[in-house]
Amino acid sequence: SQKIEQNSEALNIQEGKTATLTCNYTNYSPAYLQWYRQDPGRGPVFLLLIRENEKEKRKERLKVTFDTTLKQSLFHITASQPADSATYLCANGGSQGNLIFGKGTKLSVKP
Amino acid sequence: DTGVSQNPRHKITKRGQNVTFRCDPISEHNRLYWYRQTLGQGPEFLTYFQNEAQLEKSRLLSDRFSAERPKGSFSTLEIQRTEQGDSAMYLCASSLVSAQAREQYFGPGTRLTVT
Repeated sequence: SQKIEQNSEALNIQEGKTATLTCNYTNYSPAYLQWYRQDPGRGPVFLLLIRENEKEKRKERLKVTFDTTLKQSLFHITASQPADSATYLCANGGSQGNLIFGKGTKLSVKP
Repeated sequence: DTGVSQNPRHKITKRGQNVTFRCDPISEHNRLYWYRQTLGQGPEFLTYFQNEAQLEKSRLLSDRFSAERPKGSFSTLEIQRTEQGDSAMYLCASSLVSAQAREQYFGPGTRLTVT
């Protein structure tokens, strides 16, 4: 079955550094991957979508890569700020358009 | 506010009671999804509608769960004879189906606690 894995449950970094989060997928080749941000007690918020034929996508301080050879997507936040602290979810579209999510990585940016 | 709204935000109920949650999607979105999320996990798909038709149900959706979307607008999710294992955050999301649009817009969720 399709599986999305975010191996790091938590990531702690210093303000100003680049945060790099990893998402791996197994048993299939997704046409696209999505990244969401979720704050405590709130629903996920869409950040970026990258398609299989795109190597990289950027939005302000965010960058996502998609490596179909490694079956992996990397999510980068450059010049991180304490306000970036949240849980970041990787997701892939299921057969019916529903999203299949990883467990998420909780990012803490210390001032 | 034109985002997805969910009511109530919190619900505490006793085991065996029935509960109903409501979701109002973004008005022009034709797809509506329900997810369940427990602590430390990502959201898990339950069911989805395209307009008023319920097109897919996850194996997670036992026969105690039922969802409706009359007239293709708001949706309700009912849980009958609640169990403690039903305690979770129930999330609703909506999207506009197109060749390019794939992102989903989530509501704030309904936190259910079954005592």
